[in-house]
Amino acid sequence: NAGVTQTPKFRVLKTGQSMTLLCAQDMNHEYMYWYRQDPGMGLRLIHYSVGEGTTAKGEVPDGYNVSRLKKQNFLLGLESAAPSQTSVYFCASRPNLAGDTQYFGPGTRLTVL
Amino acid sequence: AQRVTQPEKLLSVFKGAPVELKCNYSYSGSPELFWYVQYSRQRLQLLLRHISRESIKGFTADLNKGETSFHLKKPFAQEEDSAMYYCALSGLSGGSNYKLTFGKGTLLTVNP
Repeated sequence: NAGVTQTPKFRVLKTGQSMTLLCAQDMNHEYMYWYRQDPGMGLRLIHYSVGEGTTAKGEVPDGYNVSRLKKQNFLLGLESAAPSQTSVYFCASRPNLAGDTQYFGPGTRLTVL
Repeated sequence: AQRVTQPEKLLSVFKGAPVELKCNYSYSGSPELFWYVQYSRQRLQLLLRHISRESIKGFTADLNKGETSFHLKKPFAQEEDSAMYYCALSGLSGGSNYKLTFGKGTLLTVNP
């Protein structure tokens, strides 16, 4: 049981390049989330999903797209990376069960030059 | 709108001293409050949640609905407690989609 995993761990992009971050969970969780973590800003929700085939915008969705074609995977895409997207990205998942919590992945450190 | 405020960005104490990390919140419904901890360059881990009323690693936190606070306390800090601590809030029911709103975090340093 690997929990929540993220690939890649690190990435450096040039402005305008695109990439996809992959989040995978093996706990059969319904809900999945993408956050970005910036110094002094805490974690901010980018997009989330309440189930396979569904996605919704969070607090800071601009410049990102997501897809959840399979229940266990939640992809975060940057179509045209900007330096402002330099951040650490965390994925999380949780079951649809009151009283439980979100389980976080190890993070992806992205630098956009 | 829901909001979580952690007034201290940095907190430094000596080993063995008491520590209190402050958290205030605003939420119109019934909230669920959490404390998460992040050790250097690691993933966030759940430390406490108010509904379980447990003590983890010597930390406790009590939800004060009157003061809308959920402060984290430990009577005797240890060097291994040095980490970033985040207070977070979620709606109690599935209608909120269990989205978490985080405070900006408090970096705790415990000096020897």
